[in-house]
Amino acid sequence: DVKVTQSSRYLVKRTGEKVFLECVQDMDHENMFWYRQDPGLGLRLIYFSYDVKMKEKGDIPEGYSVSREKKERFSLILESASTNQTSMYLCASSSPRAPSGNTEAFFGQGTRLTVV
Amino acid sequence: RKEVEQDPGPFNVPEGATVAFNCTYSNSASQSFFWYRQDCRKEPKLLMSVYSSGNEDGRFTAQLNRASQYISLLIRDSKLSDSATYLCVVSPTGANNLFFGTGTRLTVIP
Repeated sequence: DVKVTQSSRYLVKRTGEKVFLECVQDMDHENMFWYRQDPGLGLRLIYFSYDVKMKEKGDIPEGYSVSREKKERFSLILESASTNQTSMYLCASSSPRAPSGNTEAFFGQGTRLTVV
Repeated sequence: RKEVEQDPGPFNVPEGATVAFNCTYSNSASQSFFWYRQDCRKEPKLLMSVYSSGNEDGRFTAQLNRASQYISLLIRDSKLSDSATYLCVVSPTGANNLFFGTGTRLTVIP
């Protein structure tokens, strides 16, 4: 059974803390993504990575950074957590599909982060 | 302009009804299309891919209209268990990215 695993289901952090969200996939996928999901706004892409050490900004990268040192692991970092970063964070992975586009994405179970 | 536009609903339909969702996309070169289902407080899961010729899976039918740049999902004989949010997803040519619609909330009423 394919799997994308996020390190935490629920997190509570204080304003100003540095926060690490970890995501691991076991499908040997090239592409990995970090989204946040808020009511009424849908899924918004923060960053994605198409290879080890490669990253691309998504729609809302401000206040976030990412790290992909190994193919199976993609980390999201909140440099200095703020209350407006309280959200559901979803990690996903997929493979490029020849000749173009992507295969379907598989999601982790999500991390509900609350910043107080 | 957003890559993917989707009517957020909500759609409230009685059991047994037929309901259809549409989703428009802006990049005419898009190649991969999907419908996802997301239950409350859960992650999105693939419902079905959308193929050029259209495809069916039981009570669910997905269609692609390239000329008008939209994809559709038809659910026949709605069940209570179909209540969820349905997300359309588009992957443009040459992109490693996936673009999600905001989702359409469906509630099937007894």
